Amino acid sequence: SQQGEEDPQALSIQEGENATMNCSYKTSINNLQWYRQNSGRGLVHLILIRSNEREKHSGRLRVTLDTSKKSSSLLITASRAADTASYFCATDAKGAQKLVFGQGTRLTINP
Amino acid sequence: DGGITQSPKYLFRKEGQNVTLSCEQNLNHDAMYWYRQDPGQGLRLIYYSQIVNDFQKGDIAEGYSVSREKKESFPLTVTSAQKNPTAFYLCASSTMTGSYEQYFGPGTRLTVT
Repeated sequence: SQQGEEDPQALSIQEGENATMNCSYKTSINNLQWYRQNSGRGLVHLILIRSNEREKHSGRLRVTLDTSKKSSSLLITASRAADTASYFCATDAKGAQKLVFGQGTRLTINP
Repeated sequence: DGGITQSPKYLFRKEGQNVTLSCEQNLNHDAMYWYRQDPGQGLRLIYYSQIVNDFQKGDIAEGYSVSREKKESFPLTVTSAQKNPTAFYLCASSTMTGSYEQYFGPGTRLTVT
């Protein structure tokens, strides 16, 4: 069962623009994580936000979490061609010792 | 060079044959996971293990089997009972405390014809 659902499924923007991806989930969580996957490769952890946090920054990444709406957003500022990848949110439901991944957003940065 | 390795990168098998995918980690992580990814899709959990000699079914365990005889190793066998085995298989590991941040291997692309 999928806990997280990402929106949009695909996003294409020009280099230098900001990219925003959204994730919704269904149950109470301990934390929410974002991962990146380059084509044909494994996933790489980007950032984690705990359920008691509302916003977190890491370099050009900004993550927000709204537990009342059960949603999160990932903002990538000043996008670069190298940011082209799929981005997944993952949640660990309270009481569950595993992550559940969303379907992902395919981001394309056009030079 | 610490990390998680999967081999081989590409694997081809004939229908009806069992095939075992390798996953090894030297991160001293207690937990290991196997996921399946189909084209353009997210990850679906097949099996996971939190301790040696113990493992739990994930969401799509039918047609798969695993073993965890060593902390470092968590091989996945795709059996002939798996109806649609062609997919990209990802192995991951994590600690059992804190955030469960997962570290992924490079994946094995299995093609069954």
